[in-house]
Amino acid sequence: GQQLNQSPQSMFIQEGEDVSMNCTSSSIFNTWLWYKQDPGEGPVLLIALYKAGELTSNGRLTAQFGITRKDSFLNISASIPSDVGIYFCAGPYSGGGADGLTFGKGTHLIIQP
Amino acid sequence: KAGVTQTPRYLIKTRGQQVTLSCSPISGHRSVSWYQQTPGQGLQFLFEYFSETQRNKGNFPGRFSGRQFSNSRSEMNVSTLELGDSALYLCASRSGTMGSPLHFGNGTRLTVT
Repeated sequence: GQQLNQSPQSMFIQEGEDVSMNCTSSSIFNTWLWYKQDPGEGPVLLIALYKAGELTSNGRLTAQFGITRKDSFLNISASIPSDVGIYFCAGPYSGGGADGLTFGKGTHLIIQP
Repeated sequence: KAGVTQTPRYLIKTRGQQVTLSCSPISGHRSVSWYQQTPGQGLQFLFEYFSETQRNKGNFPGRFSGRQFSNSRSEMNVSTLELGDSALYLCASRSGTMGSPLHFGNGTRLTVT
């Protein structure tokens, strides 16, 4: 089945640093989604990408839909303590339907004081 | 507007038992999806319901089942529980309009002993 390879698995950074993570797929996707999950909560949608080459920002977050349609990138500028959490990329589940998603394994972002 | 509500929040069951988890979607949302989250496998799609019909199904055994009621509330059932079923079960809803985002609940943490 589909696999999303997300890297890095963990990031230990200093407050104020920029962060970059990516996601690659074995299949072509028509949609790329980035979610963040805080401890004890469900994932929250950060950015949705619908077109190859698309670059979309949400505050300090910027995500890009790769030209090959098999990858996507998420950047966070000037990280702050509340950015700590797990970031997931996701794309449509290969079984079809409107709502099934395939998720990457996540990037754990840890900010060191 | 209330978010997606999942009950119970925590559950402890014994191997071989069955369990029913409940999800109330955001008011007006007609699509409900269920996901299993474990440290090893990450977030995996279970199934999706729209207007009381299962529209899409992930790669899980038949012990995992679900249903949706006329008020869009959904339940999932796991029969003959196994130790490996211990996980965070997340429910997500969306309006059903093309491109509308998934909104996740905070999950039910199931522990099988």
